[in-house]
Amino acid sequence: QVQLVESGGGVVQPGRSLRLSCAASGFTFSTYVVHWVRQAPGKGLEWVAVMSPDGSLRFYTDSVKGRFTISRDNSKNTLYLQMSSLRIEDTAVYYCARDPVLGRPDYLDYWGRGTLVTVSS
Amino acid sequence: EIVLTQSPGTLALSPGERATLSCRASQSVTSDYLAWYQQKPGQTPRLLIHDASVRATGIPDRFSGSGSGTDFSLTISRLEPEDFAVYYCQQYGGSPLVTFGGGTKVEIK
Repeated sequence: QVQLVESGGGVVQPGRSLRLSCAASGFTFSTYVVHWVRQAPGKGLEWVAVMSPDGSLRFYTDSVKGRFTISRDNSKNTLYLQMSSLRIEDTAVYYCARDPVLGRPDYLDYWGRGTLVTVSS
Repeated sequence: EIVLTQSPGTLALSPGERATLSCRASQSVTSDYLAWYQQKPGQTPRLLIHDASVRATGIPDRFSGSGSGTDFSLTISRLEPEDFAVYYCQQYGGSPLVTFGGGTKVEIK
């Protein structure tokens, strides 16, 4: 069955960096668009970034442009989110999610359970 | 930039009642590329509806989506106890590429 398992979250000071990972299984990872979505404590969902199957295209929400980098290693079936210059407002549960439609960012049919990132001094 | 506004913020209903949730876009949603998700406390969002009205695999037929352009709705025909949750709409393909609404909480009256 399709599984997405995030890891790498934790407590980090403002201005520091953190790298999240998302291990995929149960489907052919290299053929799917994948996203990062976050949710601040007690708040709604916020889309963060998306990457094409071959890694050639990536897009970000404005608030993380220049600070976060999405990447993937299809040989390891793993998606990454490198986060730098972290801010307190980046505190959230970070989910990776699968997008089943090729060619454009789309709806998200499978989600991981998320990993919590807390930015605090 | 497409902004999605969900209303009401909270909907208090009894099991068996009909729930109608609204999602209004600040500009027309490309090709009605709109999805709905359900999220229960401590759980991952679950896809209910995509392309405005297509039920996702395994979703009961009491859930239905409708609308086009800027006005969309999710209807739960008869609320079951497990349907009390927060519901989010999402547009895809516009600018920015993906946005979510702020959510509607359906709670037990």
